[in-house]
Amino acid sequence: KAGVTQTPRYLIKTRGQQVTLSCSPISGHRSVSWYQQTPGQGLQFLFEYFSETQRNKGNFPGRFSGRQFSNSRSEMNVSTLELGDSALYLCASSSQGAVAEAFFGQGTRLTVV
Amino acid sequence: DAKTTQPTSMDCAEGRAANLPCNHSTISGNEYVYWYRQIHSQGPQYIIHGLKNNETNEMASLIITEDRKSSTLILPHATLRDTAVYYCIVGILIQGAQKLVFGQGTRLTINP
Repeated sequence: KAGVTQTPRYLIKTRGQQVTLSCSPISGHRSVSWYQQTPGQGLQFLFEYFSETQRNKGNFPGRFSGRQFSNSRSEMNVSTLELGDSALYLCASSSQGAVAEAFFGQGTRLTVV
Repeated sequence: DAKTTQPTSMDCAEGRAANLPCNHSTISGNEYVYWYRQIHSQGPQYIIHGLKNNETNEMASLIITEDRKSSTLILPHATLRDTAVYYCIVGILIQGAQKLVFGQGTRLTINP
């Protein structure tokens, strides 16, 4: 069974630009979550999607948005990039159940210059 | 979300058992305890979870105190590949919706 796939692995963008990151969950998983990891703040939850609906949202500005497609693939978008958005962005997928373990991808490392 | 407290770092000799403690004194009755680890430059990896009973799988054992205010993750025979940051998380699933709130974790170093 293939794992969670995130593309691209590395990205360099300029301040003010926007960026779209992609995540393909494990086959059969309908929940996709996004996290931001920085040295200063650690791992922080961005949002979670299930069946194309956002069910949970973290404390990030509206510049951070996401969506999920009918095949459960998800994208997150960051508009008007700031230097502080430089981070490792991680995607996790899980199946619905009473208790579900999350499977993480390798992440996309975004550098804003 | 209940908060967890973990030591910042720990060392363990290769082949010995690594015991990683976690305090979660504000945990509520329907919150689970999860453990994940993150090896450098990789995404976090699920290890184990539990509600109130002790749990064991092929990777580790989880011991939860009777009052559920603390837990210990045990790696029975640590290897160099177990060097990682270990995160203890408490969380609740509502209709399957999952939000993991990571703390700073414990940086475990396995020494040869």
